Amino acid sequence: DQQVKQNSPSLSVQEGRISILNCDYTNSMFDYFLWYKKYPAEGPTFLISISSIKDKNEDGRFTVFLNKSAKHLSLHIVPSQPGDSAVYFCAASVMNYGGSQGNLIFGKGTKLSVKP
Amino acid sequence: ETGVTQTPRHLVMGMTNKKSLKCEQHLGHNAMYWYKQSAKKPLELMFVYNFKEQTENNSVPSRFSPECPNSSHLFLHLHTLQPEDSALYLCASSQGTHTGELFFGEGSRLTVL
Repeated sequence: DQQVKQNSPSLSVQEGRISILNCDYTNSMFDYFLWYKKYPAEGPTFLISISSIKDKNEDGRFTVFLNKSAKHLSLHIVPSQPGDSAVYFCAASVMNYGGSQGNLIFGKGTKLSVKP
Repeated sequence: ETGVTQTPRHLVMGMTNKKSLKCEQHLGHNAMYWYKQSAKKPLELMFVYNFKEQTENNSVPSRFSPECPNSSHLFLHLHTLQPEDSALYLCASSQGTHTGELFFGEGSRLTVL
């Protein structure tokens, strides 16, 4: 059973509008969450992260929100740009119990298309 | 070169072949990882090395054999693979294993005939 779920395989947004990518998790032990972006023929690149002690983290056009009670996080991109078109992976790990960062559990990804 | 480099980018092999995937990181990191990405599946962790020592083997079949001669190089030796092993194999590195961010290579696309 998947511990990290991205239920939308794809999302299409108009340039300049907000993109909202969602992620749900089942393991309440997860305490660190990350978003990665992947362009075709490239490896995933780190985008933004959030610790479970926070409910929001912002970096420029990217904001991640964490709702621990709902075991849900989302990535907001505003305004969306055509260059944001990529596959976005949500990932989670247990950091505070000596777990290895390599034990990131990834979702299947959501393909974002931003149309000009 | 900078970042994490993987070779070859594409590999086709028969089930009886022996081949190796290579990964090199130029970031001064101490930890290196192998991940597998199959079609329509999440990225799956295979192996973790920290300071050249294997710290994680995520129940990977023995036909996959990792080797980490130093903190900058990581190999994945492949032997008698199955067609279902066809996937994108991604190498990653990080500064320690609790840093919160992995740096990935571009991946090696493996096809087993």
